[in-house]
Amino acid sequence: GENVEQHPSTLSVQEGDSAVIKCTYSDSASNYFPWYKQELGKGPQLIIDIRSNVGEKKDQRIAVTLNKTAKHFSLHITETQPEDSAVYFCAAKNTGFQKLVFGTGTRLLVSP
Amino acid sequence: SQTIHQWPATLVQPVGSPLSLECTVEGTSNPNLYWYRQAAGRGLQLLFYSVGIGQISSEVPQNLSASRPQDRQFILSSKKLLLSDSGFYLCAWSVGTDTQYFGPGTRLTVL
Repeated sequence: GENVEQHPSTLSVQEGDSAVIKCTYSDSASNYFPWYKQELGKGPQLIIDIRSNVGEKKDQRIAVTLNKTAKHFSLHITETQPEDSAVYFCAAKNTGFQKLVFGTGTRLLVSP
Repeated sequence: SQTIHQWPATLVQPVGSPLSLECTVEGTSNPNLYWYRQAAGRGLQLLFYSVGIGQISSEVPQNLSASRPQDRQFILSSKKLLLSDSGFYLCAWSVGTDTQYFGPGTRLTVL
């Protein structure tokens, strides 16, 4: 089955810096890759997603890149703000199946 | 717009007691519904999913069960809770796409 690895587990940056979180997946049939942000005590919120027919997607300060050959995808946050502090999860899914497989999460801390 | 509700928000139960967590979705029909568990500081583990009323698929053999008595209602149950059942339980839904949207979660502590 699918396995998703996520790095780093913790990331500390200064406000205004960029942050990059990387994930690798094992199943080459996976074709959908969402990213979720989870604040303390709340449910995960979808922030951006990408499909395997696209190499990059951007939404304001957030971007995701996908390398299908290497089977890895990354989340890029530019001009970080303290409110970006949260745990971020990547995930992978094959459209033919219901299961969304999650990475272990990255705790991002943005210091003012 | 669609909204998802979970209750209770917080629950403290003794070992061996029963459990019932409820999830409801508004604003959509025939959603796929999911139950996840998140242990402290860990990722999300899929427990059950349902593609329709009465249709339940289990991902992990365990002390829990799920039911879907109505189109937009998903229930997670246990007859006898274990200490290891403690965690943050999340319900999610999707309709027609791969995208899953999560509810606010239920924090369960088993003592």
